Amino acid sequence: AQTVTQSQPEMSVQEAETVTLSCTYDTSESDYYLFWYKQPPSRQMILVIRQEAYKQQNATENRFSVNFQKAAKSFSLKISDSQLGDAAMYFCAHNAGGTSYGKLTFGQGTILTVHP
Amino acid sequence: KAGVTQTPRYLIKTRGQQVTLSCSPISGHRSVSWYQQTPGQGLQFLFEYFSETQRNKGNFPGRFSGRQFSNSRSEMNVSTLELGDSALYLCASSLDPGGISSYNEQFFGPGTRLTVL
Repeated sequence: AQTVTQSQPEMSVQEAETVTLSCTYDTSESDYYLFWYKQPPSRQMILVIRQEAYKQQNATENRFSVNFQKAAKSFSLKISDSQLGDAAMYFCAHNAGGTSYGKLTFGQGTILTVHP
Repeated sequence: KAGVTQTPRYLIKTRGQQVTLSCSPISGHRSVSWYQQTPGQGLQFLFEYFSETQRNKGNFPGRFSGRQFSNSRSEMNVSTLELGDSALYLCASSLDPGGISSYNEQFFGPGTRLTVL
């Protein structure tokens, strides 16, 4: 079974600065997918970024980038130039692919506060 | 395209009752997944339906069931409600996972907030 661990229940950052959210996972698959989702107070889950395990290059989406360390089973999210709108709960998630395509395993979440 | 819709948005039930939640996926999406979100247990996978068949199932008791219709709309049912079933229930749809190299993003609905008294 897959497990996803987010060891930081809460993080804070000053506006315009950079913050990194940590995530580790455990899986027996060699091919899988990793995601960061954002959940603002509205509770609407929004995909921030995704990484295919077979790709060595770290994914980037504008101010969001990941540091994917496959051997260490680590998948951190870096938010650059933080904005007030980045304040939310962030979830790291794993998908095993194959017959488990529709199943995401989530971490416990990290609450990100952005200070003006 | 319209996003994933869930109805109702809020629901209050009493212990022992049953409840049905509905999810309409994005047009053309064939896979619908359901998740339960609680402060204590976090986000947990309930089940996934694809082409009217349950393809994956999480570790929930048999009181939790679901189905998918030919238009891909899905419902989940919880029978004999317990206080611990109070949660935000999220539905997500994806186009068609296809092969391992063509994963499709799950798009989430706004959720149904269920309160069991």
